[in-house]
Amino acid sequence: GEQVEQRPPHLSVREGDSAVITCTYTDPNSYYFFWYKQEPGASLQLLMKVFSSTEINEGQGFTVLLNKKDKRLSLNLTAAHPGDSAAYFCAVSSLPNAYKVIFGKGTHLHVLP
Amino acid sequence: EAAVTQSPRNKVAVTGGKVTLSCNQTNNHNNMYWYRQDTGHGLRLIHYSYGAGSTEKGDIPDGYKASRPSQENFSLILELATPSQTSVYFCASGELGGDTQYFGPGTRLLVL
Repeated sequence: GEQVEQRPPHLSVREGDSAVITCTYTDPNSYYFFWYKQEPGASLQLLMKVFSSTEINEGQGFTVLLNKKDKRLSLNLTAAHPGDSAAYFCAVSSLPNAYKVIFGKGTHLHVLP
Repeated sequence: EAAVTQSPRNKVAVTGGKVTLSCNQTNNHNNMYWYRQDTGHGLRLIHYSYGAGSTEKGDIPDGYKASRPSQENFSLILELATPSQTSVYFCASGELGGDTQYFGPGTRLLVL
């Protein structure tokens, strides 16, 4: 079945630096891609949803890149600030059984002031 | 107002006891999910449902049952709880299969 590998498991950066989190997936039928953010002690909140037809998506303070050829999804936080400190999870759903969404194991990001 | 709620938020159970975790959603979503979150494993799918009366096995269903009596409610049942089921459990709902999921606040379960 689908495998999603997320790296790195832990990441510390200085305030103002960039932070990059990467997920690789195996299923060529992967269709929806997600990044979720989980603040300490809280639940998961959607950060961004990416369709397989779009390669670059920009949000507030971050960019999501999808490389379908390499089956790689990345989250790039530009100019990280302490409020970005959280766990980040990628998630992938594939056809035909799109009900099952496979999550990466998460990256714990710590932004140092 | 929170669209996905879970109860209880914290639970201590004894080995061999029965535990029921409840989830309610007001999103009117067809799909609901139960995950457990453990350090080093991320989120793992236990059971899911795509409508009232349906339950499907996820990736780690052993030791768990699920019940979806209505569109709004989805329960996870541990008939004979074991210490290995100590974890944080998240319920989620989603409108379409494979689409964005909306998570509840989680339930911390400790099985002694």
